[in-house]
Formats: sequence, structure tokens, C-alpha cells
Amino acid sequence: SQQGEEDPQALSIQEGENATMNCSYKTSINNLQWYRQNSGRGLVHLILIRSNEREKHSGRLRVTLDTSKKSSSLLITASRAADTASYFCATVRSYNAGNMLTFGGGTRLMVKP
Amino acid sequence: DVKVTQSSRYLVKRTGEKVFLECVQDMDHENMFWYRQDPGLGLRLIYFSYDVKMKEKGDIPEGYSVSREKKERFSLILESASTNQTSMYLCASRGGGRSDTQYFGPGTRLTVL
Repeated sequence: SQQGEEDPQALSIQEGENATMNCSYKTSINNLQWYRQNSGRGLVHLILIRSNEREKHSGRLRVTLDTSKKSSSLLITASRAADTASYFCATVRSYNAGNMLTFGGGTRLMVKP
Repeated sequence: DVKVTQSSRYLVKRTGEKVFLECVQDMDHENMFWYRQDPGLGLRLIYFSYDVKMKEKGDIPEGYSVSREKKERFSLILESASTNQTSMYLCASRGGGRSDTQYFGPGTRLTVL
């Protein structure tokens, strides 16, 4: 089963607008990560937020984490057509051999020029 | 920069064929992973390896096997391909220690006819 669930599943906005994607998860976490996937390609790591952090910034990206609600959000400000991609949250779970990631179903973002 | 490469971007095979998907990383990472990605289901972990010749089952190992004879190479094997194994296959690697970030290859889109 998926640990992270993204919302919305799809989002369409105009260039210059902000895009907000949400992620909910079920169990306690050490950290939560966001990845981006361009169409038909591999995933690229965007940002990691630890369980003791509430907010983190990286360029036009802002991530928040609310561990009491088991949710995170990814905000992309001043979006560009090149931001068109799918965005996934991933939470860490522990195996005997180490930590693994569990991915949500993703949000497909389309930014129209 | 970490580089993860996969042997094929697109592959078409027939039911019952034995299929090899190869993944190579150049960062001396201990951990390597194979996922499949299907619409609406996100990424699901098939197998992972935390060292040479070591492997662990992920969430959906049935119908797959893996091989890790060298640290930089992790192979996914479909012993007898079936149509329900048509999917996007993504390989990833991760360093040791406390790092949870995974680095992905570009993916192989496999079609089984």
C-alpha cells in the first residue's frame, strides 16, 4: 500500500501562478522527500524535510511538514512551463537492511505558457 | 554528479521470453533498487540490494529475480515475461550512511506482447 498520497492527482495552471501539491502519509516518519519526474523519465530528488523541521526552502520551492496531521505540501512559486512534470512525495520506512522509500501516486502538474 | 544508467529506454518482448534489465551506477553506492511504475499505482519496490550478492524482496517480487555480481551493476530478470509485466521499470541507487536520497536512472519502458 502507498504510504504517501498526493492531492490533487492533476493540476493545471498558467505560467506565473503558484502551484501547491499536498501529500498525506499514514505512519510516523524520519523524513519526507519530494521528487520530480519529467514525462517518461526517471525521478529527480528535489528536497528533503526532516521530521523536526516545519518548513524548508530551495529556490522557488517551499515545503512544509505537519507531523501532527501527517501531511506535507510542496509549493512552487512563479511557475514556468518547464515545471510541467509529475511530483511525488516519498517517506522513509525501515527494513532490516536499511531505509527504503515509499512513494505516493504523484501529482501531474501542467503549466501553460 | 551521480549517474545511473539503464541498458534500454524501450524494450518489446514476447510472452514467455526471459528478459534482462541492466542498471549501472558510477558513484560506488552500496544500495540499489528496482521499481516498477504504473498509472495510478505510483512506484512500487520490486527488489533491492544493499551489497554485492545481497538482495532483499520488496513489495512485489513475484515473477522477478535480481542479480548483483558487481557493486556498480544491478540486474532485474523476468524469468518468463507476461503481459502484466508491461510497465515502466526504474532503477535507483543510494549511498550508505544516513543518506536517504535515491538517484534514479531514466527508466526502461517494457512492453510484453
